[in-house]
Amino acid sequence: DAGVIQSPRHEVTEMGQEVTLRCKPISGHNSLFWYRQTMMRGLELLIYFNNNVPIDDSGMPEDRFSAKMPNASFSTLKIQPSEPRDSAVYFCASSSVAGGLENEQFFGPGTRLTVL
Amino acid sequence: GQQVMQIPQYQHVQEGEDFTTYCNSSTTLSNIQWYKQRPGGHPVFLIQLVKSGEVKKQKRLTFQFGEAKKNSSLHITATQTTDVGTYFCGWGGGSNYKLTFGKGTLLTVNP
Repeated sequence: DAGVIQSPRHEVTEMGQEVTLRCKPISGHNSLFWYRQTMMRGLELLIYFNNNVPIDDSGMPEDRFSAKMPNASFSTLKIQPSEPRDSAVYFCASSSVAGGLENEQFFGPGTRLTVL
Repeated sequence: GQQVMQIPQYQHVQEGEDFTTYCNSSTTLSNIQWYKQRPGGHPVFLIQLVKSGEVKKQKRLTFQFGEAKKNSSLHITATQTTDVGTYFCGWGGGSNYKLTFGKGTLLTVNP
């Protein structure tokens, strides 16, 4: 099993540019989560999907952030336009939800985003 | 609203010393999970606790869930340099399968 796959691993861009982060969850998992991690704010949940449907996007900072999950094996997180304060490590995680209880989440390696 | 504090924020120990991190909630938690993140790495699941008073062990790691399900702890006996990293607790929101994570405790071990 390849685990959760994220791309790119590193992204350096200039303020105002569009950034697209990609995630491939573990096959068979039906929940997908996007997190942002910074020293100041820790690990924050941005949005999560269950069966490809966005369930809770209350963590999305503002309208510049959007996320999609067109199918069970792919999700994107887009920032447009990007700003320096968006610099962080973005993690994607997936889990297999069953039994009405949270199950362990498997995290991808993360995308380190730097906005200059 | 629900308030969960993870303490301490940092802990530095000599190799061989014990280490404990705590998560304390103002309200009852349905369950709690613990994760470890090595420097430069990603969070990795360690354990999930569900039952009141539950205690689970993994080699030198002991996890506890309080009787009132409002607090949890992770204890490492005789730390090793391989224990270095940030330990996070994450608590669930019930039926929505969403985890919220604490700020984490960064453990450093002096060899």
